[in-house]
Amino acid sequence: KAGVTQTPRYLIKTRGQQVTLSCSPISGHRSVSWYQQTPGQGLQFLFEYFSETQRNKGNFPGRFSGRQFSNSRSEMNVSTLELGDSALYLCASSLGTGNGYTFGSGTRLTVV
Amino acid sequence: QQQVKQSPQSLIVQKGGISIINCAYENTAFDYFPWYQQFPGKGPALLIAIRPDVSEKKEGRFTISFNKSAKQFSLHIMDSQPGDSATYFCAASKGGSNYQLIWGAGTKLIIKP
Repeated sequence: KAGVTQTPRYLIKTRGQQVTLSCSPISGHRSVSWYQQTPGQGLQFLFEYFSETQRNKGNFPGRFSGRQFSNSRSEMNVSTLELGDSALYLCASSLGTGNGYTFGSGTRLTVV
Repeated sequence: QQQVKQSPQSLIVQKGGISIINCAYENTAFDYFPWYQQFPGKGPALLIAIRPDVSEKKEGRFTISFNKSAKQFSLHIMDSQPGDSATYFCAASKGGSNYQLIWGAGTKLIIKP
């Protein structure tokens, strides 16, 4: 079966712009989680969506938002980009029962 | 109380040796402890996981040892190979309606040929 698909793989944006990242989960998975990964900070949890509802949220500013559609696909939006937002953004899908998270390969965002 | 502390931050092991990575937690409500393996340019992949009703779980060369009383769990990689060189993350979660994984900081493992 197809894995978790994240698009685009690479993105370069200018400070102040906004960006939207997309994640298509494994078929049948209803939970999608987003993470920010930087060399110095490890995996930082952004938020989790389950059946179109945000179920958990990490400690990120309101510039980071997300949503999930009825087909479980999810998007993450970052507004007013800052240089510090440069990171690998990972999406993970699961059935939503607490185990079996499958990650995508991520979107590498560079803010210049 | 939600933290998972992982050590060491980096580890160099000779080929054929045993790699050991440790994690400690505080929240006794955690009931699921996975280990993930991440190669450069890829997302983390589930390697092996354990629940607190067993003290050890083995899958091939990978073993999780779990000490409930000490609130610690560790990953052992036997006969370590250069292909095992990756970053390893431990994590923990609890049941109920909130299944959020709490992550360790990661260990960069290098296996020297």
